[in-house]
Amino acid sequence: GAVVSQHPSRVICKSGTSVKIECRSLDFQATTMFWYRQFPKKSLMLMATSNEGSKATYEQGVEKDKFLINHASLTLSTLTVTSAHPEDSSFYICSARGHLRGKGEKLFFGSGTQLSVL
Amino acid sequence: RKEVEQDPGPFNVPEGATVAFNCTYSNSASQSFFWYRQDCRKEPKLLMSVYSSGNEDGRFTAQLNRASQYISLLIRDSKLSDSATYLCVVNDGSQGNLIFGKGTKLSVKP
Repeated sequence: GAVVSQHPSRVICKSGTSVKIECRSLDFQATTMFWYRQFPKKSLMLMATSNEGSKATYEQGVEKDKFLINHASLTLSTLTVTSAHPEDSSFYICSARGHLRGKGEKLFFGSGTQLSVL
Repeated sequence: RKEVEQDPGPFNVPEGATVAFNCTYSNSASQSFFWYRQDCRKEPKLLMSVYSSGNEDGRFTAQLNRASQYISLLIRDSKLSDSATYLCVVNDGSQGNLIFGKGTKLSVKP
């Protein structure tokens, strides 16, 4: 079964609205969570890295005021796309790094969120 | 600039064929290497890690050449279900973050 739960799987919203995406680690504590964005036929691009209880580290070119990341607990990180515009339409995926019993430290991916901004 | 380069393909092969993908990486400090498989609009799934001595998992063989900064994936006796995009993934060395290649698309035909 899934070890990282990401919701929602699909969002269609109007331009100017804010969208929150949740990423939860199941049965393990995620010391670090990563947020990626993938445009059609492009590679996964790391947006930011977050550690529980501290501010996220954003990659160059990613606006931290537009993409708000909260990692309030060891099992939950959220990405909020504020004032979304059509160019923000993309596939957003989270991943969580942590120790899973019997599997050591691994990186697990959420199932992704397809965001479409009209 | 830290990059991972792959031939985007597509590779169109018949069932049963052997197909090989290559990947080069620019950061000589990278220590960990992986092949992931990604189906359309799905999350990437780890296919296999790549070790210096080379490793095999069933029909899949991965090779690493550190001197040339080159990784390969060989798929033997390809199945229809192997159709997917294969991502070469390298850690960036300094912070342990993963750098993804753009992927190589494989299409296995009956």
